[in-house]
Amino acid sequence: GENVEQHPSTLSVQEGDSAVIKCTYSDSASNYFPWYKQELGKGPQLIIDIRSNVGEKKDQRIAVTLNKTAKHFSLHITETQPEDSAVYFCAAEVTGGGNKLTFGTGTQLKVEL
Amino acid sequence: DAGVIQSPRHEVTEMGQEVTLRCKPISGHNSLFWYRQTMMRGLELLIYFNNNVPIDDSGMPEDRFSAKMPNASFSTLKIQPSEPRDSAVYFCASSYGQSPTEAFFGQGTRLTVV
Repeated sequence: GENVEQHPSTLSVQEGDSAVIKCTYSDSASNYFPWYKQELGKGPQLIIDIRSNVGEKKDQRIAVTLNKTAKHFSLHITETQPEDSAVYFCAAEVTGGGNKLTFGTGTQLKVEL
Repeated sequence: DAGVIQSPRHEVTEMGQEVTLRCKPISGHNSLFWYRQTMMRGLELLIYFNNNVPIDDSGMPEDRFSAKMPNASFSTLKIQPSEPRDSAVYFCASSYGQSPTEAFFGQGTRLTVV
């Protein structure tokens, strides 16, 4: 089955700096890669996703890049703000696999003032 | 829409007792997922349903766990008997349409088995 690895497990940045979280996956059939943000006491919430036919996608301060050859994808957050502090999860899914997501282990991001 | 609704938010029970977690998916969604979150294992998919039919229950840890979806607006996850190692946050999520689509998560149920 699919295995998703995520690094780092914790990340601390100064407000205004950029943050980068990296994930690798094992199943070459995976072609959908969402990123979820989980705030304390809440369920994960989708913040951005990318499909395998696209190499990069951007939405305001967040962007995701995908390298299918190397089987890795990354989340980039620019101009970080305190409200970006949360746990971020990457995930991978095989299209047609019944929406079955395999999640990474999460990254605790702390944005310090 | 109120989103995915889970109940209870918190549950404390004694080892050996039966526990039932409940989920109401977003109206119109045709897929429902149960996840378990722990520090050690992260987010694990336990089971998912499509159009009320269980499709993949390979993530269900043991026969003590069972899940049902009697209709499109309700699902339960039952643990009987419960054990301390079942302590975790259990999330229900739902989605609509053909894979891949966004999964919407509920607030979770924090289960503590003492």
